[in-house]
Amino acid sequence: GAGVSQSPSNKVTEKGKDVELRCDPISGHTALYWYRQSLGQGLEFLIYFQGNSAPDKSGLPSDRFSAERTGGSVSTLTIQRTQQEDSAVYLCASSAPDSPYEQYFGPGTRLTVT
Amino acid sequence: AQTVTQSQPEMSVQEAETVTLSCTYDTSENNYYLFWYKQPPSRQMILVIRQEAYKQQNATENRFSVNFQKAAKSFSLKISDSQLGDTAMYFCAFRSQGAQKLVFGQGTRLTINP
Repeated sequence: GAGVSQSPSNKVTEKGKDVELRCDPISGHTALYWYRQSLGQGLEFLIYFQGNSAPDKSGLPSDRFSAERTGGSVSTLTIQRTQQEDSAVYLCASSAPDSPYEQYFGPGTRLTVT
Repeated sequence: AQTVTQSQPEMSVQEAETVTLSCTYDTSENNYYLFWYKQPPSRQMILVIRQEAYKQQNATENRFSVNFQKAAKSFSLKISDSQLGDTAMYFCAFRSQGAQKLVFGQGTRLTINP
């Protein structure tokens, strides 16, 4: 079956612009996660969704970052007024209700802020 | 807060050799989950193996096995009969029983040479 998909694969944006990153989880997966992978900070958790709710958004680094999930499926991570330190690979993962401990990752979006 | 440490930034072995990647973690919890993920150049994180802390038996998946030492808070990954396709970044990850997010180590870049 189809895995987790993310778009775009790569995004180059100018400092100060807003960007939206999209994640399509595996069909039927109720949980969805966003992580950020950067050279300086490694892999960091950003936010977790169960259905359309986000019970844990403790990893969002600032109020410039927000995420939503609609219809219990697609999720969008929005970064406003991008800064150079936002440059990273943004990874999305999802997990199934009957196997909540295994997270399946997408290929990520590489964001470069110039 | 939990932390995960991978002390080997890079490792290199010859094809068909056995290699062991180290991971230690810090937690005050008794029940948790540990994972090894593989990230090839395609960026997609792939779950290699999982260990539940309440299980004394070490997990194995074909050529991959772990040495889980709960008292020492150590969770190493052994790859037997290494193959060129094993070349990748390997991340050790921790998850609390009551939480959803994964806490990752800094990763070990493993190269299998022909």
